This record gives sequence, structure tokens and C-alpha cells, in this order.
Amino acid sequence: EVQLVESGGGLVQPGGSLRLSCSASGFTFSRYTMHWVRQAPGRGLEYVSLISSNGGSTYYADSVKGRFTISRDNSKNTLYLQMSSLRVEDMAVYYCVKDPAGIMATLGNWGQGTLVTVSS
Amino acid sequence: EIVMTQSPATLSVSPGERATLSCRASQSVSSDLAWYQQKPGQAPRLLIYAASTRATGIPARFSGSGSGTEFTLTISSLQSEDFAVYYCQQYNNWPPWTFGQGTKVEIK
Repeated sequence: EVQLVESGGGLVQPGGSLRLSCSASGFTFSRYTMHWVRQAPGRGLEYVSLISSNGGSTYYADSVKGRFTISRDNSKNTLYLQMSSLRVEDMAVYYCVKDPAGIMATLGNWGQGTLVTVSS
Repeated sequence: EIVMTQSPATLSVSPGERATLSCRASQSVSSDLAWYQQKPGQAPRLLIYAASTRATGIPARFSGSGSGTEFTLTISSLQSEDFAVYYCQQYNNWPPWTFGQGTKVEIK
């Protein structure tokens, strides 16, 4: 069974930094592209970033480009999102998502999310 | 980036009634369209993928249709556990995946 467990969320002041982690199990982590999707309180889903299976390719939404860095450690089955220069508008639940890799029945592999609160 | 637009924003339905939710894409996404259900405090739950295929364990009262730019999610007879927010997502042209803004199905 695929399990994705996010951690690292919390309260941070505007301009601060935070690193989120996503621990993966139940599949061969090193073979899959991974994604981050976020959801601000009471709002919809917003795509944030992706990283290819070997870490060689990344993508960032314009809203986080230059401030967030996605990375992974395949030896630890862990995905990361380093967030810096945080803004109030970055406040959200951040979800780690496994790419379906063409098997669309597995689109539903999301973690439970970790809440990032940006406030002074 | 493909823009997904859902309507209506809120749908008030009585239990046992039919609910019809719409999702429109700014350009064709073929059948690369998924529907999710989300309840408060929970991650989104996959209902439908490939526009019309129910995910594992999803009841038959949920059905999806459409292709290209127009899609529909139908809940044939609303149960109490179906009151939630529903999102569509395109995965035809990515990154990024893009999502609709959601339709809240509430009790009438």
C-alpha cells in the first residue's frame, strides 16, 4: 500500500524559511516523479512543484519560483520542499503526491498534508 | 497553462436527488480529466479518472462523462456522505496539473 507522510509544517513569520518532508513507502520511490500541491485555507488546489525520479528535472509554479526548492533523497525514500522568503499567501496545507506514471488509476496517491502557517 | 472552470460554485441538493457538476477546460484535454471529492480536514479522494472511469471502491452512483473541453460529474442519488467539495483536474498538458476552483455540494 502506498503511504505518503508529510511533516515539517508549522508557524513561520513572513520572510522566514521552512523545510517540508514527505516520507514515502509501499512503492519503489526512486522510479517515480513526485509532486507538491497546496491548498490555502478555504481555497482550491494549486500545483506547486515537481521533481523527476532521479532529481534531474524540476518544475515550479510561477508563484513560488525562485523561493522554493524541491529535492529528493532516493536512499531515504524522502521528498523535500525547501521554502524561503515565505509570504502570507504561501499559507496552506501542502500535499505530497505520487505521479501515476501512466497508470491513471493511481492518481489518487496523496499524503494527508502538512499545514504551513505564515503569520507575524 | 490550461484553465479549468467549474460550475456552479455551490449546488444545493436534497438527499436522494441527482446532482450534476460541470467542468470546462480552456483547451482540449482529450479524456485526461479526473474528479476528486474532498471533505473538511481530508486530502482529496480520487473518484473518476480518464473522464469516465470510476476509481477503485467508488460507488456506481458516481459517473463521469465528456471529452475535449466539456465534462460532467453526476451523482445519481445523493447520500449524506456525498456532501463535500468536488474538484476536476486535467493531466493532459502538464506541468502543471491544473484544477478547477471546486463545486461545493451542500444539503438543501
